[in-house]
Amino acid sequence: DGGITQSPKYLFRKEGQNVTLSCEQNLNHDAMYWYRQDPGQGLRLIYYSQIVNDFQKGDIAEGYSVSREKKESFPLTVTSAQKNPTAFYLCASQRGAWNEKLFFGSGTQLSVL
Amino acid sequence: AQTVTQSQPEMSVQEAETVTLSCTYDTSESNYYLFWYKQPPSRQMILVIRQEAYKQQNATENRFSVNFQKAAKSFSLKISDSQLGDTAMYFCAFMSLMNRDDKIIFGKGTRLHILP
Repeated sequence: DGGITQSPKYLFRKEGQNVTLSCEQNLNHDAMYWYRQDPGQGLRLIYYSQIVNDFQKGDIAEGYSVSREKKESFPLTVTSAQKNPTAFYLCASQRGAWNEKLFFGSGTQLSVL
Repeated sequence: AQTVTQSQPEMSVQEAETVTLSCTYDTSESNYYLFWYKQPPSRQMILVIRQEAYKQQNATENRFSVNFQKAAKSFSLKISDSQLGDTAMYFCAFMSLMNRDDKIIFGKGTRLHILP
């Protein structure tokens, strides 16, 4: 079945550590997105990519990095520069970055030890 | 810049009742999409309904319908004959069709409880 797979489901980060969240899709979608969800804040866009080898910063990109070397994969690295990383992270994909609905993964809950 | 506002942080209704969730947005554009997404306790985001701004007819999906008032920039979601499985966070979202680089903007959500 086609879909988006995020892993791991839960992730713990030690202070000063970089961690990488995985997002893979087999929907052949061009665009992929990373959102951060905090209680009472809705979804805030971290990074997005409309095509392989290209990506743009969203509203809260500081302390995060991404890569888009393959169409299917859009990993998010939470760096040690992100001082408040505890949140629920959602990855989404879209067939084209135009008038198409988002398909979401099941999310990763990141917590700080 | 576009904004999406959901003025009801939390709501509760009895099972089988009808409930309406409010959403207002601000944009200077004339061509756009509006969405309602549902996030149940599993936290999986699910598209409930979608409305194209150029269509006057309100979108309907089974028990879910919208009241789209373009001039008022209002996009409310009505859930009829509510069921326990409708308990979830509901997010209103806006997507521009004018600027390809614009991303989807989400409201802060309304937590809906369906009571037995």
